[in-house]
Amino acid sequence: DLVMTQSPLSLPVTLGQSASISCRSSHSLVYDDGITYLNWFQQRPGQSPRRLIYQVSNRDSGVPDRFSGGGSVTDFTLRISRVEAEDVGVYFCMQGTRWPNTFGQGTKLEIK
Amino acid sequence: QVQLVQSGDEVKKPGASVSVSCKASGYTFTSHGIAWVRQARGQGPEWMGWISVNNGRTEYGKKFQGRVSMTTDTSTATAYMELRSLTSDDTAVYYCVRDGYYDSRKKWRGSDAFDSWGQGTVVTVSS
Repeated sequence: DLVMTQSPLSLPVTLGQSASISCRSSHSLVYDDGITYLNWFQQRPGQSPRRLIYQVSNRDSGVPDRFSGGGSVTDFTLRISRVEAEDVGVYFCMQGTRWPNTFGQGTKLEIK
Repeated sequence: QVQLVQSGDEVKKPGASVSVSCKASGYTFTSHGIAWVRQARGQGPEWMGWISVNNGRTEYGKKFQGRVSMTTDTSTATAYMELRSLTSDDTAVYYCVRDGYYDSRKKWRGSDAFDSWGQGTVVTVSS
């Protein structure tokens, strides 16, 4: 199975500052069609996960442009600029390239 | 808008089975797959499997093979997940998720994969 490793696991951030989360895959996430199926999700307490970013860098509808995704092959990053109070929650990366789809351990973002 | 509405919370005894339903609306049910994901308290999500709504093809995680069944009813746009021989380790929130699918040319269509989640069904296994 593809192993997804996130860091850091805990991320205290000052309001208005930027935050960055790393996600590394044990193998290439480039699918046979040339597309990299790497997603980022936000999960607020008591809620279902919400997809923020798909195929590495495409933002979902309604997601603030403060959120951006980047990277390639095995190394990926989620960046949040100007962190707001509503960004508190756990962030997961997930690969959809190979079955079983696998998730990172999660990064808990909190406000300092 | 796309909605996935799941059945209510369940409490089961060890050894029993549980069935969770997921009613889809707001999109063409047969044009997407459905994945099932579970999440134990304080843990990350865990993929259980995928079903192609248009032909019933399934892919199950090795951990669940022989113990899980995923089906769909296109007449009611509802997906079902049954998990058998429950143990306390199966206590978790279970989610259905809209997933990708293979088109008529067997090309994977994955841009909508995991974009919509059900509200979750809490399954508690306790004696």
